[in-house]
Amino acid sequence: SQTIHQWPATLVQPVGSPLSLECTVEGTSNPNLYWYRQAAGRGLQLLFYSVGIGQISSEVPQNLSASRPQDRQFILSSKKLLLSDSGFYLCAWSLHNSGYTFGSGTRLTVV
Amino acid sequence: AQSVTQLGSHVSVSEGALVLLRCNYSSSVPPYLFWYVQYPNQGLQLLLKYTTGATLVKGINGFEAEFKKSETSFHLTKPSAHMSDAAEYFCAVSDRAPIRGGSQGNLIFGKGTKLSVKP
Repeated sequence: SQTIHQWPATLVQPVGSPLSLECTVEGTSNPNLYWYRQAAGRGLQLLFYSVGIGQISSEVPQNLSASRPQDRQFILSSKKLLLSDSGFYLCAWSLHNSGYTFGSGTRLTVV
Repeated sequence: AQSVTQLGSHVSVSEGALVLLRCNYSSSVPPYLFWYVQYPNQGLQLLLKYTTGATLVKGINGFEAEFKKSETSFHLTKPSAHMSDAAEYFCAVSDRAPIRGGSQGNLIFGKGTKLSVKP
């Protein structure tokens, strides 16, 4: 069966520090992969999506970047975090029209 | 472009009462529609989806939703609320139909509705 792993679950980072959040999927091949951010009162904001290795589409300009070094690995990064980067980050995968499967999320607090 | 509107950011019902969460969508192509539930500090879980066929869709935990093209709606209902239903619910529409052999289009989410259940 397919599973999705996202870590860490919580993270507290100082302003200006780097960020790396990792997401891996098991049990499927060539999925679409997504990074969303959920901020209080703002719903789900699509940050990046990827349809294949090395293929990244950015939905909004921001302080973050994403990479897909392997078929089932999706990484969200930042060189220098801002206070506004705080939020709940969700990774998800999809295949065909079965809907998205989400990871358990990472709560990032930038202080 | 697709969009989703969820009416009411907060809905409160009594235990045993009907749950009705409203969702209206905008789409220039036949939509794929989804409802997700999110419990605190957890990821989103798929409740149900409409792709084609029967317009009344049954999901997990006793929820169902009806696709009404004439009203561009996909409201979520449950006949009798349980305390465990308290969570945030998201309606979503696919921004394009899946291509043959390919993967689905990206989902556009509503802003969510927080459901509270009073004892």
